[in-house]
Amino acid sequence: GENVEQHPSTLSVQEGDSAVIKCTYSDSASNYFPWYKQELGKGPQLIIDIRSNVGEKKDQRIAVTLNKTAKHFSLHITETQPEDSAVYFCAAPRSNDYKLSFGAGTTVTVRA
Amino acid sequence: DSGVTQTPKHLITATGQRVTLRCSPRSGDLSVYWYQQSLDQGLQFLIQYYNGEERAKGNILERFSAQQFPDLHSELNLSSLELGDSALYFCASSVNREVGVTNEAFFGQGTRLTVV
Repeated sequence: GENVEQHPSTLSVQEGDSAVIKCTYSDSASNYFPWYKQELGKGPQLIIDIRSNVGEKKDQRIAVTLNKTAKHFSLHITETQPEDSAVYFCAAPRSNDYKLSFGAGTTVTVRA
Repeated sequence: DSGVTQTPKHLITATGQRVTLRCSPRSGDLSVYWYQQSLDQGLQFLIQYYNGEERAKGNILERFSAQQFPDLHSELNLSSLELGDSALYFCASSVNREVGVTNEAFFGQGTRLTVV
């Protein structure tokens, strides 16, 4: 099955700096890679995703890059703001049944 | 608002009891996933249903079961509850109409289960 590893587990950045979270996956047939943001007491919210036919996707201050050869993908948050503080999860599906496997999560703290 | 509705939001029950968690997927979504999130833990996949049929199974205990009804809502049944079952239980839904194409999954706000 799909195994997703996520690093780092915690990340503290100064407001205005960039944050980068990396994930690796095991199923080479995976073709969809979403990122979720979970704020305290809430459900995970899809913030950006990328499919295997593109290498990079950007949406305002967040971007995701994908390296299919190395089987890893990363989330980049630029010009971080206090409201970016949350737990971020990456995920990847198994190719045969759409089961989404999640990374262990990264707790991001943006210091004002 | 993701469009996925979970009820109840909070549930407190005693050990040994049985509870049912309910999930209404987004309109048009055929897949429903259930996840468990314990304190400081990630999202552990429990089970997935697609159009009424079980599609994938994770580390779901035998004391737990789920089903998806013809109207596509799903229920997660937890029985013989133990203190360690206290957690957040999330439901997510996704379209997944095309074979080989994984669509976006949207999460509900979760049910916080406390077993005392």
